[in-house]
Amino acid sequence: DSGVTQTPKHLITATGQRVTLRCSPRSGDLSVYWYQQSLDQGLQFLIQYYNGEERAKGNILERFSAQQFPDLHSELNLSSLELGDSALYFCASSVGHTSSGNTIYFGEGSWLTVV
Amino acid sequence: SQELEQSPQSLIVQEGKNLTINCTSSKTLYGLYWYKQKYGEGLIFLMMLQKGGEEKSHEKITAKLDEKKQQSSLHITASQPSHAGIYLCGAFHSGGYQKVTFGIGTKLQVIP
Repeated sequence: DSGVTQTPKHLITATGQRVTLRCSPRSGDLSVYWYQQSLDQGLQFLIQYYNGEERAKGNILERFSAQQFPDLHSELNLSSLELGDSALYFCASSVGHTSSGNTIYFGEGSWLTVV
Repeated sequence: SQELEQSPQSLIVQEGKNLTINCTSSKTLYGLYWYKQKYGEGLIFLMMLQKGGEEKSHEKITAKLDEKKQQSSLHITASQPSHAGIYLCGAFHSGGYQKVTFGIGTKLQVIP
């Protein structure tokens, strides 16, 4: 158990809908990362927050948004869902930023299936 | 093309054999992570390397970072069925708050 909690574990929804994925980082971790993993694209970085502020951004679609709240939990919002958004979404956390040698711990992921 | 290339993409070895997985970056490496993943599950942290020439070991797994070659290798000695899974390398290319990009992974099967 990494200490990173993600909910829901599985989600099936229809095209055009909106979903919210939730993440609670490890106790004491201030950085939260979101990744998308699909068979054809591998593990793709979406976005990173540190103590509530956005710190790094990947190829996150405009239909996707995220935020980190004062209690440090984070949410990833996916809207106008398309079939291609079906993937495993990971949240990860670390104490600080990567270049300080901090370990990044991954949650178990949220499986999203868009039908 | 991928910023991080892993080779081989898949590997089948007999239990007890040694094996090496490579991760090559198209950019200068500032640091590199190795993770193991069972299909559909979370990533398990193995090691992080930051200094050129740095080598770390955990049980029968050793990883080394070659900054000049922009490459890292992961070596498993006397492989066991428990080593089976997908090995992923993730790299960042500068200090501060930088994204960690991952390779596509190497799928390892260990035959008893």
